Amino acid sequence: GQQLNQSPQSMFIQEGEDVSMNCTSSSIFNTWLWYKQDPGEGPVLLIALYKAGELTSNGRLTAQFGITRKDSFLNISASIPSDVGIYFCAGDNYGQNFVFGPGTRLSVLP
Amino acid sequence: GAVVSQHPSWVICKSGTSVKIECRSLDFQATTMFWYRQFPKQSLMLMATSNEGSKATYEQGVEKDKFLINHASLTLSTLTVTSAHPEDSSFYICSASGGPRTQYFGPGTRLLVL
Repeated sequence: GQQLNQSPQSMFIQEGEDVSMNCTSSSIFNTWLWYKQDPGEGPVLLIALYKAGELTSNGRLTAQFGITRKDSFLNISASIPSDVGIYFCAGDNYGQNFVFGPGTRLSVLP
Repeated sequence: GAVVSQHPSWVICKSGTSVKIECRSLDFQATTMFWYRQFPKQSLMLMATSNEGSKATYEQGVEKDKFLINHASLTLSTLTVTSAHPEDSSFYICSASGGPRTQYFGPGTRLLVL
């Protein structure tokens, strides 16, 4: 089936630094979603992207839907300690095959 | 935003017993709900897709007789782990879709089978 790859797998950054992570697929998706999961909790939707080339911001978060429809990236600016968690990307084709990536584990050092 | 709740948030049970987990969409109607399982430090694994009023669709390798899913209304889906064993211990997460392009997740239910 379809699979998503996320990179990096994990990252350690200093508080205040910017973060960039991405998600790639061998096949096309019509929707890209970014979620954050804190330990012991369910994923929380951060940003949803519905159109190729779309660039959307949510506070310090910015995500883009790649033009090829096979990738997406998420940037976090000026990281803070509460940004710690696992970031999952997900691709969807009109509800027919919702696929999650393996996640990027972010650690923020004070 | 859309709110999805799960109950219970955690449960400990003896091996051989059955456990029911509820998933509710609180402020929207969910035509489709999804059940995931997550092991430590791993991504979410889709177990089944539940559509209101019809039988659930199970992913390959997921036993439908062991993981019973009922989606009786547009706001409630239940997952029953029958005859639970220690290897069923995991974090179970549901999500609900009010439309085709976004899923909202519940807070998860941690199951420990002794």
